[in-house]
Amino acid sequence: ETGVTQTPRHLVMGMTNKKSLKCEQHLGHNAMYWYKQSAKKPLELMFVYNFKEQTENNSVPSRFSPECPNSSHLFLHLHTLQPEDSALYLCASSQDGASGASGANVLTFGAGSRLTVL
Amino acid sequence: QKEVEQNSGPLSVPEGAIASLNCTYSDRGSQSFFWYRQYSGKSPELIMFIYSNGDKEDGRFTAQLNKASQYVSLLIRDSQPSDSATYLCAVKIQGAQKLVFGQGTRLTINP
Repeated sequence: ETGVTQTPRHLVMGMTNKKSLKCEQHLGHNAMYWYKQSAKKPLELMFVYNFKEQTENNSVPSRFSPECPNSSHLFLHLHTLQPEDSALYLCASSQDGASGASGANVLTFGAGSRLTVL
Repeated sequence: QKEVEQNSGPLSVPEGAIASLNCTYSDRGSQSFFWYRQYSGKSPELIMFIYSNGDKEDGRFTAQLNKASQYVSLLIRDSQPSDSATYLCAVKIQGAQKLVFGQGTRLTINP
């Protein structure tokens, strides 16, 4: 496996379900991110983890719960979602989220998890 | 004011011409700027980044940065139909561990 891998690629869930999105990076990076991409809206940052510590929470509702057990893995736990949460959820990693050096901030994205909430 | 602004397009350019994509940002302290390309149904992929005023060239792509005007652009020379995609501008916000993205410009290269 290379790059950033996301599973599942597609997920359909009801509003009362609990599900999780998984992300794994094989790049030796230290920072991992969750972004949300909805139609006709900019990519929205949700969470940032740097060296396993959460460093950004962009006012995300508590029905989204991130987990970062190590620098290579990132999860997004979902529960009691709303239909407006339907979107493409993109995981990304970078060498070091805190660095001021441009190269260290380059994001490598996974293929995304397309979520539909019924 | 949005942190990063792009014209959403669509922008249509004939094959072989130069495509010019523009982006403005609000945080004067921003240091690093990125251009990503996203094909329909795919995830964004990096084209190039720039952090010094002036031009940076990579093959058919040139990024231009003007920090005084808070403006960054991407030129694509000899445009090809395969360049048809949405182009995302992203800015590293000073003091924050995140990139902020513009809404993207949809570019279509017409054969």
